[in-house]
Amino acid sequence: RKEVEQDPGPFNVPEGATVAFNCTYSNSASQSFFWYRQDCRKEPKLLMSVYSSGNEDGRFTAQLNRASQYISLLIRDSKLSDSATYLCVVSRGTGGSYIPTFGRGTSLIVHP
Amino acid sequence: GAGVSQSPSNKVTEKGKDVELRCDPISGHTALYWYRQSLGQGLEFLIYFQGNSAPDKSGLPSDRFSAERTGGSVSTLTIQRTQQEDSAVYLCASSLPDGGQRVNTGELFFGEGSRLTVL
Repeated sequence: RKEVEQDPGPFNVPEGATVAFNCTYSNSASQSFFWYRQDCRKEPKLLMSVYSSGNEDGRFTAQLNRASQYISLLIRDSKLSDSATYLCVVSRGTGGSYIPTFGRGTSLIVHP
Repeated sequence: GAGVSQSPSNKVTEKGKDVELRCDPISGHTALYWYRQSLGQGLEFLIYFQGNSAPDKSGLPSDRFSAERTGGSVSTLTIQRTQQEDSAVYLCASSLPDGGQRVNTGELFFGEGSRLTVL
């Protein structure tokens, strides 16, 4: 089983739609959780951190369920510019090492 | 700009040749990571440097891969006797641990990557 699993998609949605991505992780000792965004042939960039209490940033809402080892990202009122790959990232520190593990990403295509 | 800088941006080499990829992290960032991303794949961890600690090399795929970080700043990833399966984008990222602690819960800042093609 992969450490971080995501549905690769693609999710093909019209402008204005609400879309949700899910991610599961296997290591219950994981400490930090993030969503990154990667545009085609570009480097990944942080979209938002994910907290146990849930957090919202404009049209984006992230949720963490530690009991189920599950992370979600909700995008409301999708824009064309939201088209990208969304990477789920899970990190844990052991023995002084801190290694963020990336999921393969979920592709989102927003069409007019 | 004070972002992560990588060079070369593109490298085409012949099978069996050695290559060196360079990463210049954000000034003051003590953590430095190398990942690689093959076409259509996720990011694969290679190696992690944190301050003066011994690097975590657990992700290096073979002994043909090595990396060093001089003076706690610039890092070089070396691939010896390149193979076609080494073709990928090699991404470097740096980060600043929260409060100077060794456990890093902060954001990774990536360079634009070095695209390696082995013919």
